[in-house]
Amino acid sequence: DTGVSQNPRHKITKRGQNVTFRCDPISEHNRLYWYRQTLGQGPEFLTYFQNEAQLEKSRLLSDRFSAERPKGSFSTLEIQRTEQGDSAMYLCASSLQGFWEPQHFGDGTRLSIL
Amino acid sequence: SQQGEEDPQALSIQEGENATMNCSYKTSINNLQWYRQNSGRGLVHLILIRSNEREKHSGRLRVTLDTSKKSSSLLITASRAADTASYFCATKMNNAGNMLTFGGGTRLMVKP
Repeated sequence: DTGVSQNPRHKITKRGQNVTFRCDPISEHNRLYWYRQTLGQGPEFLTYFQNEAQLEKSRLLSDRFSAERPKGSFSTLEIQRTEQGDSAMYLCASSLQGFWEPQHFGDGTRLSIL
Repeated sequence: SQQGEEDPQALSIQEGENATMNCSYKTSINNLQWYRQNSGRGLVHLILIRSNEREKHSGRLRVTLDTSKKSSSLLITASRAADTASYFCATKMNNAGNMLTFGGGTRLMVKP
């Protein structure tokens, strides 16, 4: 079990630029989740995949956000035309199938918008 | 988004003391999980308590669940400096989609 890996760990970009984050889940996990966490708050759900299918997206997820999980393995989260309010920690988690299976989190990508 | 509320928001205790954190939601809940997050790291799953359970133990952790009061508590006994972290409850809320909703967290500091 090598754990969930996220890259990059830190990303600094100018407002208006596009950014892409990558998540490599635990290999036998077929569920993959993306969360956003701001300082002092709990993680906020963004979207999740079961294998390659994106099954749910938060109503709060702007059209500027898109996620993919080709072939049901790694996943990418892209933010287009970044805004100041996008500054946050973006966390990825994976789990076995089943809503109440423990989610295993990566250490996140911290995004800072200048 | 609608998060659970955790109480207290911050807690500072001496090593060896017990720490109690509470979590409440505004809508009905069933099963509930607790997670720990060390500073700058991802969350780590601690325990799941199911709706038909009132209390569950795991090592130095004791979790209670009261679905009628829409609340849960996490007790850490004989705390250690290594327990310093943020602790979050998470559950599936009615009418919130098929997703985990996390509380705002309790930041625990255990002083050696």
